[in-house]
Amino acid sequence: KAGVTQTPRYLIKTRGQQVTLSCSPISGHRSVSWYQQTPGQGLQFLFEYFSETQRNKGNFPGRFSGRQFSNSRSEMNVSTLELGDSALYLCASSFGGPSTDTQYFGPGTRLTVL
Amino acid sequence: DQQVKQNSPSLSVQEGRISILNCDYTNSMFDYFLWYKKYPAEGPTFLISISSIKDKNEDGRFTVFLNKSAKHLSLHIVPSQPGDSAVYFCAASDGGSYIPTFGRGTSLIVHP
Repeated sequence: KAGVTQTPRYLIKTRGQQVTLSCSPISGHRSVSWYQQTPGQGLQFLFEYFSETQRNKGNFPGRFSGRQFSNSRSEMNVSTLELGDSALYLCASSFGGPSTDTQYFGPGTRLTVL
Repeated sequence: DQQVKQNSPSLSVQEGRISILNCDYTNSMFDYFLWYKKYPAEGPTFLISISSIKDKNEDGRFTVFLNKSAKHLSLHIVPSQPGDSAVYFCAASDGGSYIPTFGRGTSLIVHP
């Protein structure tokens, strides 16, 4: 079974730009969660999508948004990039959700904002 | 305010010895706990979990202990191997919120 894939793996943007990251979950998984990992804050939950609906949202500004498609693939968008958005963005999929089911993480997208 | 704390940023252990990674939490509503392992340039990988109805769960060389009264859990790796060198994240959730809270991680180095 193929794992979680994320594209692109690396991205360099400048302040003020916007970026879209993509995540393809494991086949059959309906839940996709996004996390931001920074050295100082560890893994912080951004949001979770289940069957195309945002089911949970973490404490991030509205510049961070996402969506999920009917095939469970998900995209995350960050608008008006700031230097502090530089981080590793991880996507994780699970069958029913991150609280009760094992999550499988992708390798992440390393975003650098200059 | 950190609800899940891993107070040791790093831990160094000799191969063959026991590694003990600790995690403290403050939210008494947490009822499900997980450990993930992360190698550089890879996403975290699920290692082991424990429900609050148990105080111990074993899987091969890995054992997680939960002390609910102290709001403390620990991961024991016996014996430690150089391939165990990675960052270990503790996570906790309560069944109602679906949002897991992660600690900041502990970097384990196992020396040959």
